[in-house]
Amino acid sequence: GQQLNQSPQSMFIQEGEDVSMNCTSSSIFNTWLWYKQDPGEGPVLLIALYKAGELTSNGRLTAQFGITRKDSFLNISASIPSDVGIYFCAGEETSYDKVIFGPGTSLSVIP
Amino acid sequence: SAVISQKPSRDICQRGTSLTIQCQVDSQVTMMFWYRQQPGQSLTLIATANQGSEATYESGFVIDKFPISRPNLTFSTLTVSNMSPEDSSIYLCSVEGGEWSYEQYFGPGTRLTVT
Repeated sequence: GQQLNQSPQSMFIQEGEDVSMNCTSSSIFNTWLWYKQDPGEGPVLLIALYKAGELTSNGRLTAQFGITRKDSFLNISASIPSDVGIYFCAGEETSYDKVIFGPGTSLSVIP
Repeated sequence: SAVISQKPSRDICQRGTSLTIQCQVDSQVTMMFWYRQQPGQSLTLIATANQGSEATYESGFVIDKFPISRPNLTFSTLTVSNMSPEDSSIYLCSVEGGEWSYEQYFGPGTRLTVT
């Protein structure tokens, strides 16, 4: 069935460093979504992407919809302790018409 | 985006019993979704609930185990029936961001532990 892969699975970075994570699929997606989940809470939508090649920013976060429509990446600049959490990519696959979620990237920020 | 609340926020239940989880939205929405998030895992869609029709279940989930009600455009319930320890998970409801939008907005979740 439909599946998304995220890398890295986890990362530990120093405060102030930039972060990059990506999401890939074997099939084409029409929409890419990036969420952050804090412990004990529901996921919060960070960025939504709708067109191949689209580059969108939300504060220190930047995400891009890959040209092939099979991948997306999320960058976080100048990380801070509150960036800690699990980042999920999600997407709407062309033939499925529903949103599926990737396995997540766990981010830890060392002060 | 909509404000979504869930009750209860957490519960510990005995195996063989059932728990009903409530999801309330502060605005009318057509589609509501129920997800399960097993410990340390990603989100898996259980079913889509539209007001006025039967919920649509994903592969691996059945109505007898996870009955859903959708009595109006701001409320839904998910029941986890005849629970076993394998049902211990976070259950999340979400709503769509708009009629043509795949953006979803989530409630805080219900953390269920079955002993």
